[in-house]
Amino acid sequence: DAGVIQSPRHEVTEMGQEVTLRCKPISGHDYLFWYRQTMMRGLELLIYFNNNVPIDDSGMPEDRFSAKMPNASFSNLKIQPSEPRDSAVYFCASSLRARTGYNEQFFGPGTRLTVL
Amino acid sequence: DAKTTQPPSMDCAEGRAANLPCNHSTISGNEYVYWYRQIHSQGPQYIIHGLKNNETNEMASLIITEDRKSSTLILPHATLRDTAVYYCIVSAFYSGGYQKVTFGTGTKLQVIP
Repeated sequence: DAGVIQSPRHEVTEMGQEVTLRCKPISGHDYLFWYRQTMMRGLELLIYFNNNVPIDDSGMPEDRFSAKMPNASFSNLKIQPSEPRDSAVYFCASSLRARTGYNEQFFGPGTRLTVL
Repeated sequence: DAKTTQPPSMDCAEGRAANLPCNHSTISGNEYVYWYRQIHSQGPQYIIHGLKNNETNEMASLIITEDRKSSTLILPHATLRDTAVYYCIVSAFYSGGYQKVTFGTGTKLQVIP
């Protein structure tokens, strides 16, 4: 398996523009997570899905952020409109819940977003 | 949700064992302890996990105290490639697929030649 795939790897946009980040999880995984990492706030969990259903979006900072998982092979995170403070590295991770109750997350390479 | 505390930074001589501590004094009975590391700006990488017993894999060993309030990640022979930020998290599944996951600030391990 190619691992978790994220695109684009780098995104530079201007304030007010819509930004779409994409993620392809590892095949067969039933959990998908979106994280944001900044120097100031560290690694923050934004939202996660279980079997394509959003379970907890309490980490989504504002209504400007939205995420969907239309099928088991794809998820996207949208920011509309984008602001300079959204500049960060966004990671997607997927996992498969084991019967014993643990799960290890596999992270993608991240998308570095810069909003000018 | 249980939170973890880790020292912000540690140094270790190359070839020596690196022992990274983690405090999770409010851990619940069903919460696992996980360790991840992040090398430079790459995505975090899973290292090991445990519930009650000590665990070992090809990367590291995990020692969990009997009361489960703290743990130690051991890299037996640290190399320069082990220089990274190491995160200790605790997590469990709850009804409805709910899983609380909180990454702390981690420990920045510097392996010195």
